[in-house]
Order: sequence, then structure tokens, then C-alpha cells
Amino acid sequence: QKEVEQNSGPLSVPEGAIASLNCTYSDRGSQSFFWYRQYSGKSPELIMSIYSNGDKEDGRFTAQLNKASQYVSLLIRDSQPSDSATYLCAVPPRAGAGNMLTFGGGTRLMVKP
Amino acid sequence: DVKVTQSSRYLVKRTGEKVFLECVQDMDHENMFWYRQDPGLGLRLIYFSYDVKMKEKGDIPEGYSVSREKKERFSLILESASTNQTSMYLCASSPTSGGANEQYFGPGTRLTVT
Repeated sequence: QKEVEQNSGPLSVPEGAIASLNCTYSDRGSQSFFWYRQYSGKSPELIMSIYSNGDKEDGRFTAQLNKASQYVSLLIRDSQPSDSATYLCAVPPRAGAGNMLTFGGGTRLMVKP
Repeated sequence: DVKVTQSSRYLVKRTGEKVFLECVQDMDHENMFWYRQDPGLGLRLIYFSYDVKMKEKGDIPEGYSVSREKKERFSLILESASTNQTSMYLCASSPTSGGANEQYFGPGTRLTVT
């Protein structure tokens, strides 16, 4: 099993809809979880971090963490065409890995006007 | 805001050349990372450094070396460039406080080796 798994997509949603992006991870001891957005040809940009079970909201973005089920989700409300990008989930690879992160392969999101 | 800069956005080199990629961060971060990103293979860690003059191999260190003489600067060196090193190279930095922290990326260098 890969350490961090994401559906590669593309996930296509209409403008104004909720986009739901999912990520599963293998290390039960992981404590930190991050979502990055990457536009085509650009570098990843941090958009959310979450450390505790439950939801964390920031504007149109909500991160959801369920440690028992080992998944973390990103919801994007009122999706806009400018949200079209690849979204990367990042998790520490294992306990004691210091400051390393393992990145999932990313989910490509397409928001259609 | 955290700022991570990389010396070049685009670079074209010939096979066998020695290539230097420079990365500078202005947030006094202890940790710096070099990744390469290829279609279908995602982000792969080449090397990282958690302190000046310290370095650790990542998942794919073969054919690369690094140098960190100052805290703000982390260099990636391709000793003898090969065509299979054509890729997007991304530098990142992160602070140290407890467990893993968020990494901040530079704009990337797209390297083509011909």
C-alpha cells in the first residue's frame, strides 16, 4: 500500500458546486496533514493544514480529518473555474521522520463554467 | 510571507555537464528540501538538510549531490547531467517545531538535458 493515496481524477464539477477531494494514508501515527494546490506548470502552494480530528474551515475550503479511518478530505465550496488545479495531500511518512513529508500523486480538479 | 527563490526558471544543459541549482529562503528555516516532479511519478525527494552542513538522502539521491554552507541556501548539484534528469526541480523549506511542519516551495526550475 502506498503511504499516501489519492484518486488521480480528473474530478469534474460544475461552477458553484462542492468539490470533494479525498486522501488516505497508511501510518496510524501521523499527526500532521497538509493540502497543497498546484496549477499547471507552477509549484505547489500550501492551502490548508490540519492536526486534529474533525473539520477545519478557511474561507471556501474545509479540511476534514478522521484518524481512525486514516483519511483526510478537502471540500471546496462554491467551486470556481480558478480552482481548477491539481490538489496534493501531504503526510509525514512515518513516526520519527522528522520534517519530511510524503506527497500523494494528486487529484486533478476541473471546474466547468 | 515565506519566500523561497530558485536561481533559474528554465535551464537547458548538455549531457555530461555539471549543473548547479540554487535555492534561497528568507524565513530562517532550519529544513530545506530538493524534489523532482515528473508526470505520473509525483513529487520525489532527492535530498534534504536539517541544518547547515547537514544532509540526508531522500528517495532518489543517485546522480545528485547537495551543499548547504549557509542556513538560507541549499544547492543541488548534478555531477554529470543525463537525459533522464530532465525534470521539474522544486526546492522547499520548513521550520522545526515539534513534528512535521508545512513546507513552502520555490517556483521550480524546469531543467532540460539534451
